[in-house]
Amino acid sequence: EAGVAQSPRYKIIEKRQSVAFWCNPISGHATLYWYQQILGQGPKLLIQFQNNGVVDDSQLPKDRFSAERLKGVDSTLKIQPAKLEDSAVYLCASSILTGIVAEAFFGQGTRLTVV
Amino acid sequence: DQQVKQNSPSLSVQEGRISILNCDYTNSMFDYFLWYKKYPAEGPTFLISISSIKDKNEDGRFTVFLNKSAKHLSLHIVPSQPGDSAVYFCAAKGRGSSGSARQLTFGSGTQLTVLP
Repeated sequence: EAGVAQSPRYKIIEKRQSVAFWCNPISGHATLYWYQQILGQGPKLLIQFQNNGVVDDSQLPKDRFSAERLKGVDSTLKIQPAKLEDSAVYLCASSILTGIVAEAFFGQGTRLTVV
Repeated sequence: DQQVKQNSPSLSVQEGRISILNCDYTNSMFDYFLWYKKYPAEGPTFLISISSIKDKNEDGRFTVFLNKSAKHLSLHIVPSQPGDSAVYFCAAKGRGSSGSARQLTFGSGTQLTVLP
């Protein structure tokens, strides 16, 4: 079974530039998550999708971050414009359901460095 | 406001001995707890979980203990092996459909090093 795929693996941009990350979840997984992991901290949820609808985006900085999951499969996370404090690993995860607690499967992440 | 706390950033253990990783939580709405393991340059992988209706769950060398009254859980690895060296994250979730507890909330992680 293929895992959660993310690209790119690494990205370096200057502050005020824009960047986009892509995620392809495990086939059949209805729930998709984007997490931000700053060095030395645990992953923090940015946004959660159930199929193509947003379940929770309470911690997403909506003035600069946006995410979409068209057709309920792939998802993109965008930052525009980026700030230095956005430097982090962005993790995508998916799980079968959200109502029933199930472990989430994580991708390898995209390491973003903003200079 | 950290709702899930792992107060030990690192732990070193001799191969063959027991590793005990600790986690405390503050949100009483949490009723499902998970441990994830993370190797460098990889995403976290699910290790073991426990529901609040239990106080112990065992899977091979890994056992998770839950003390609800103390809002504390621990992961025991016996015997520890060098391949267990990784960052271990504790995570917690509530079954409610609203409120912050429905999110999977992670601790800051503990780096376990198993010395050969």
